[in-house]
Amino acid sequence: NAGVTQTPKFQVLKTGQSMTLQCAQDMNHEYMSWYRQDPGMGLRLIHYSVGAGITDQGEVPNGYNVSRSTTEDFPLRLLSAAPSQTSVYFCASSYGSDHSGNTIYFGEGSWLTVV
Amino acid sequence: AQSVAQPEDQVNVAEGNPLTVKCTYSVSGNPYLFWYVQYPNRGLQFLLKYITGDNLVKGSYGFEAEFNKSQTSFHLKKPSALVSDSALYFCAVRDMNSGNTPLVFGKGTRLSVIA
Repeated sequence: NAGVTQTPKFQVLKTGQSMTLQCAQDMNHEYMSWYRQDPGMGLRLIHYSVGAGITDQGEVPNGYNVSRSTTEDFPLRLLSAAPSQTSVYFCASSYGSDHSGNTIYFGEGSWLTVV
Repeated sequence: AQSVAQPEDQVNVAEGNPLTVKCTYSVSGNPYLFWYVQYPNRGLQFLLKYITGDNLVKGSYGFEAEFNKSQTSFHLKKPSALVSDSALYFCAVRDMNSGNTPLVFGKGTRLSVIA
């Protein structure tokens, strides 16, 4: 059972570079999301999607872009990396498109450092 | 608006003693409530959730939580702590009647179980 798979696990970027964090799930989940985790800030939602072709902004969307062309994949793009985007990023998914009380499953995280 | 508070950044408990990690929430309607655990350098793992029904919810690894509507709380408990329970714990909430509003997480409580 692969679950939610994120790549890369670690990445160092220079300020101004762009990159894509990959996320894939094999559970046929409609709902997918990206969070960032910073010390003392908990988890903050960046973007989410309730199905292929549908995305929406979360709490901290600036500097990030997403698309959802398939049910399985939900990549997160950093357009021009800034040191403030140094963080741990988590992809998550759950069954159903309306959130409800469905359990959200998380990937193992991607540690990103912007220098 | 929905929100969740974890009033303690850190909880220390001796091995074998009971543990409690506190969570209070605010929603306009009825809540869906979740607890997740994060071990070092790992993703979040689901522990338990309250959807409806019995106020006492039992979850993984011997943890349980009690939904208290009058106190708007959902404290996580375990009768006898283990050193291996040391981790970061997150409470999360979603209003049942909030449409597609995503899950909101607390800032986390670090549990340290001392041998």
